[in-house]
Amino acid sequence: QQQVKQSPQSLIVQKGGISIINCAYENTAFDYFPWYQQFPGKGPALLIAIRPDVSEKKEGRFTISFNKSAKQFSLHIMDSQPGDSATYFCAASRITGGGNKLTFGTGTQLKVEL
Amino acid sequence: DTAVSQTPKYLVTQMGNDKSIKCEQNLGHDTMYWYKQDSKKFLKIMFSYNNKELIINETVPNRFSPKSPDKAHLNLHINSLELGDSAVYFCASSKGQGYTEAFFGQGTRLTVV
Repeated sequence: QQQVKQSPQSLIVQKGGISIINCAYENTAFDYFPWYQQFPGKGPALLIAIRPDVSEKKEGRFTISFNKSAKQFSLHIMDSQPGDSATYFCAASRITGGGNKLTFGTGTQLKVEL
Repeated sequence: DTAVSQTPKYLVTQMGNDKSIKCEQNLGHDTMYWYKQDSKKFLKIMFSYNNKELIINETVPNRFSPKSPDKAHLNLHINSLELGDSAVYFCASSKGQGYTEAFFGQGTRLTVV
């Protein structure tokens, strides 16, 4: 059972465009929703995260939009750059009582073309 | 200074062998994890330790045995390796219970032949 569903599986965006990756979760006990960025041969690195008490969080060119009622959240990368080409994972966890376990989505391979 | 370091980075071994992967973190974190990333890049938690105590064991075959000699180290020993164990194994750490930002190591690519 996939508790966090992620789409699309792959995405090609032109330089300067907007990249949008979507995730949906099932477990309403989740209360922390991070996005991780992974480059080839490297471990995932935290990009940005949101708690369900806010609907949007922005850090530089990266924005998370969160819809609690729909149990969905998305990552928007504005002004996408070739250096953003990587695999992006959404994740969800419970801050208390969850043992800090991250449940990951299936990943989106983003390619930003010149 | 590497925050979470794993050794080795690559491991090629034959079926039936026993191997270990070592992990060390210098962040002063209380919680450490092992995650497995399969060939489709799907990441799944295997184990979590908090202050050397096992707190998560995600129905991993008992051929996999984690060991935490102290808060800064979490090793993974795998007995009787199988072809299906081929994957990238990531060690990670976080500050502690209630702190969910996890810092990942660079991974160990295990290939069983």
